[in-house]
Amino acid sequence: EVQLVESGGGLVQPGGSLRLSCAASGFTFSSYWMSWVRQAPGKGLEWVANIKQDGSEKYYVDSVKGRFTISRDNAKNSLYLQMNSLRAEDTAVYYCARDISVVTLDYWGQGTLVTVSS
Amino acid sequence: QSVLTQPPSASGTPGQRVTISCSGSSSNIGSNTVNWYQQLPGTAPKLLIYSNNQRPSGVPDRFSGSKSGTSASLAISGLQSEDEADYYCAAWDDSLNGGVFGGGTKLTVL
Repeated sequence: EVQLVESGGGLVQPGGSLRLSCAASGFTFSSYWMSWVRQAPGKGLEWVANIKQDGSEKYYVDSVKGRFTISRDNAKNSLYLQMNSLRAEDTAVYYCARDISVVTLDYWGQGTLVTVSS
Repeated sequence: QSVLTQPPSASGTPGQRVTISCSGSSSNIGSNTVNWYQQLPGTAPKLLIYSNNQRPSGVPDRFSGSKSGTSASLAISGLQSEDEADYYCAAWDDSLNGGVFGGGTKLTVL
């Protein structure tokens, strides 16, 4: 059974940093692109970033470029999102998802809430 | 404001057929496939339709998708109360070099 479990969310002050993790199981992690998608409270979905199987290609939404870094450790079956210079507008539930083709996200985690507030 | 445009709401009575539209441009829907997601209240999104009109295993054939030019549509026939959810379209955007979602459509079953 495919499982994706996010962790690392919490309350952080504006300008602060946070690292999200996503533990994958039930499939060959190293064979798939992976993505992060976020959802601000009461708002719609926003694609954040994705990463190729070997980490050689990464893409980001403009609003996080230069602040967020997506990475993966295939030996640990884990996906990460390093978030720096956090802003109030980054407050959201962050989902990791398996990406079987461009924005074709067939499995999702339960999400982890990031709150940026002083 | 989302790159892909969806109506904010839609509604229907049980048994009816409803459609949800998704409008984009040549850099996204016009040149890439469209996917649809269903998000039930308080849960993570679920892939409903991929590659414009394909259903993942387990998705009832009441759900169907189509694409024409720079627009796409999701149709739900035989509407059921459990279909009450938010629906999102998504596609890759070649100009932005990233994924884009529609703003979402809240479906109410009356």
